[in-house]
Amino acid sequence: GENVEQHPSTLSVQEGDSAVIKCTYSDSASNYFPWYKQELGKRPQLIIDIRSNVGEKKDQRIAVTLNKTAKHFSLHITETQPEDSAVYFCAAPNQAGTALIFGKGTTLSVSS
Amino acid sequence: GAGVSQSPRYKVAKRGQDVALRCDPISGHVSLFWYQQALGQGPEFLTYFQNEAQLDKSGLPSDRFFAERPEGSVSTLKIQRTQQEDSAVYLCASRALGGGSYNEQFFGPGTRLTVL
Repeated sequence: GENVEQHPSTLSVQEGDSAVIKCTYSDSASNYFPWYKQELGKRPQLIIDIRSNVGEKKDQRIAVTLNKTAKHFSLHITETQPEDSAVYFCAAPNQAGTALIFGKGTTLSVSS
Repeated sequence: GAGVSQSPRYKVAKRGQDVALRCDPISGHVSLFWYQQALGQGPEFLTYFQNEAQLDKSGLPSDRFFAERPEGSVSTLKIQRTQQEDSAVYLCASRALGGGSYNEQFFGPGTRLTVL
């Protein structure tokens, strides 16, 4: 069945450093890859997404890269700030296209 | 405009009780999803509605779980004879378009269910 693997499970960086979170997916037909940020006790919120017709997308300090051949996609956060501290989830559509399959999450801690 | 809302925000139930969780999606959104999020885990899919039609219920863990969206807007997730393993945050999400379209899912704040 469909599966999304996410690494690392925890990531600690100093303010100003970069952070990279990686995901792999199993369904080669997947063509949409969103990233959600969830602060403690809050709802998941979309921060960036990418479709399979592009290899990279950037929005200010956040970028996502996609390698369809290897079935990998990654989130890159540059110049991290304490407010970036949260749990980040990658996701990919299930085979039926009816829902998202989420990774287990990465807890990012940015210390000042 | 208003986002996705859910009620109640917190629910404590005794084992064996029935509970009903409500989701109000963004007005006009065609797709509605229910997810279950255990502590420290990612959301796990439960069921999907396109308007009033429940097109996918493959994620419902047992026949104690039932969801409906009778008029294609508000949805209710019902859990009968709750058990301790049902304790989790139940998230509702809505999306503007129907199945097969890959657009943003907007999440509600969730209902935290604790079964004692």
